[in-house]
Amino acid sequence: AQSVTQLGSHVSVSEGALVLLRCNYSSSVPPYLFWYVQYPNQGLQLLLKYTTGATLVKGINGFEAEFKKSETSFHLTKPSAHMSDAAEYFCALSTSGTYKYIFGTGTRLKVLA
Amino acid sequence: DARVTQTPRHKVTEMGQEVTMRCQPILGHNTVFWYRQTMMQGLELLAYFRNRAPLDDSGMPKDRFSAEMPDATLATLKIQPSEPRDSAVYFCASGLPGLDMFFGPGTRLTVL
Repeated sequence: AQSVTQLGSHVSVSEGALVLLRCNYSSSVPPYLFWYVQYPNQGLQLLLKYTTGATLVKGINGFEAEFKKSETSFHLTKPSAHMSDAAEYFCALSTSGTYKYIFGTGTRLKVLA
Repeated sequence: DARVTQTPRHKVTEMGQEVTMRCQPILGHNTVFWYRQTMMQGLELLAYFRNRAPLDDSGMPKDRFSAEMPDATLATLKIQPSEPRDSAVYFCASGLPGLDMFFGPGTRLTVL
């Protein structure tokens, strides 16, 4: 069975500090991995995705994530947090040939001034 | 700027009433998903369609929920009768196989 685990339901960082949101997955076949962001009262917006190829993927708003097969991880990072980054972030998994996305439980990021 | 639209954005109803939520997927997208989001359960996949045919609706309570795609531009999710535990935000998303999935803004349902 496939699963996604996000470590830490709430993360607080100071403005300008490194953002690190953790995601681990379980999949018996090569995964496609995604990070989505949800701002209050809005739908989910795709930040970045990994399908195949380069394991370090860059997304919008300065975010990036690295696929590490040996660690079954896909952590999301941003070098310097901005107040506008405050939102909820979801890691998701899918696989080739399926249309189902499995979402993690989300991590709410708070940015402190 | 193509986007998924959902109506209504907010719905307050009384227990036992029928609720219909509508979604217009992005033109050309052949896969449509319905998700439910609650504080307790997070994001749950209720059903999804490919080329208007239901592929999987195992996430839906069958006795009260139904999902359809009358045509390629409209997906509906119906709850009859509604219950307070159905209170949640319902998201529609559309996409193409292997490509990105785009979410609508959601319908916030409150059942009193």
